[in-house]
Amino acid sequence: LAKTTQPISMDSYEGQEVNITCSHNNIATNDYITWYQQFPSQGPRFIIQGYKTKVTNEVASLFIPADRKSSTLSLPRVSLSDTAVYYCLVGAGNTPLVFGKGTRLSVIA
Amino acid sequence: DTGVSQNPRHKITKRGQNVTFRCDPISEHNRLYWYRQTLGQGPEFLTYFQNEAQLEKSRLLSDRFSAERPKGSFSTLEIQRTEQGDSAMYLCASSLTRVNDEKLFFGSGTQLSVL
Repeated sequence: LAKTTQPISMDSYEGQEVNITCSHNNIATNDYITWYQQFPSQGPRFIIQGYKTKVTNEVASLFIPADRKSSTLSLPRVSLSDTAVYYCLVGAGNTPLVFGKGTRLSVIA
Repeated sequence: DTGVSQNPRHKITKRGQNVTFRCDPISEHNRLYWYRQTLGQGPEFLTYFQNEAQLEKSRLLSDRFSAERPKGSFSTLEIQRTEQGDSAMYLCASSLTRVNDEKLFFGSGTQLSVL
């Protein structure tokens, strides 16, 4: 079973900021949080990874509160090309990552 | 870095036939994973290797499935006596293991259709 819970789907207009929250109440001390993006007929693609506080890269930001029981992926100013499924995973590299169903983001013009 | 390569991209077979898929990971990556994905679902873990050693197999993996990674390089996944329920996208991923840090790099997958 996936260790995470996230919304099944979200809709957004182009140019808006999108925040996808993931719950991981049973996260272990050594677990880090990783987000992947998947387009149809392609394998998932790594977006961002973090352990605590905030991480930012050229694509997204990841916010992790002090208790680490949840995390929020923030996509600034989304475009149509951001329409995809987004997966939140937790793990420490000692066991295979377990994917849930992810969040299907639809960006509307 | 040419990424993870999977062949073939598509495979159509008749029920009862055997099929084999190949995965070429990123060259310096020591771990290689196989996942299976059906429509509307997230990728489901099948098995993984660290170098040439197969470390774990999913309990859901039928005896008809076998995977190898000779010499710790490319890997093959074979399905014997295919069934219609085996129809899915088979994804391969590789990673370079680091302490508390693992990023999977996925291939584009092999889409299997069993008629």
